[in-house]
Amino acid sequence: EPEVTQTPSHQVTQMGQEVILRCVPISNHLYFYWYRQILGQKVEFLVSFYNNEISEKSEIFDDQFSVERPDGSNFTLKIRSTKLEDSAMYFCASRPQQGPGNTIYFGEGSWLTVV
Amino acid sequence: AQKVTQAQTEISVVEKEDVTLDCVYETRDTTYYLFWYKQPPSGELVFLIRRNSFDEQNEISGRYSWNFQKSTSSFNFTITASQVVDSAVYFCALMGDYKLSFGAGTTVTVRA
Repeated sequence: EPEVTQTPSHQVTQMGQEVILRCVPISNHLYFYWYRQILGQKVEFLVSFYNNEISEKSEIFDDQFSVERPDGSNFTLKIRSTKLEDSAMYFCASRPQQGPGNTIYFGEGSWLTVV
Repeated sequence: AQKVTQAQTEISVVEKEDVTLDCVYETRDTTYYLFWYKQPPSGELVFLIRRNSFDEQNEISGRYSWNFQKSTSSFNFTITASQVVDSAVYFCALMGDYKLSFGAGTTVTVRA
């Protein structure tokens, strides 16, 4: 069964460092997402990406965040200068193009710890 | 704006008991989609079920069943004959504008 894959599964970084989280969405999917879950809290939308551009972003997704699809398979989230409050599980997700109600499938998450 | 409320923070049951998780949502959309996801202790988000707003027929899938009532904006989820492997956080989610809005989650603990 096709799945969304994410790397790394866990990363520890020092405050102020840049971090890149990588994702390989399901191959025939065209909408891509990043979500965040701070420990013990709800899953929060960060950004959606379609047709090589951001289609929507939340208030959380400020100037220190960026996304990119550098090639035909990878989808990355970059945090330019990490803060302690960026510590969270980051989920990549994807969905097919057809129909607004198609299921969004999530990767296993990348746990980011900022120290 | 989309909003999903899961009033139950934690539920603890003994194996083989049924568990019903409540979910209430708010949306201005006339067409929308509701989901349940499971997050086991390993952390991943696993899709369980999806429901369209224009289809209120309730269904059963194995040990899972759901009760969608548009009149009360509720989308409740039941696990029948719970097992220890069902222990997880369960999230109700609403899709609008092509993105999901999640509830706060309900932690289910099934004791042997």
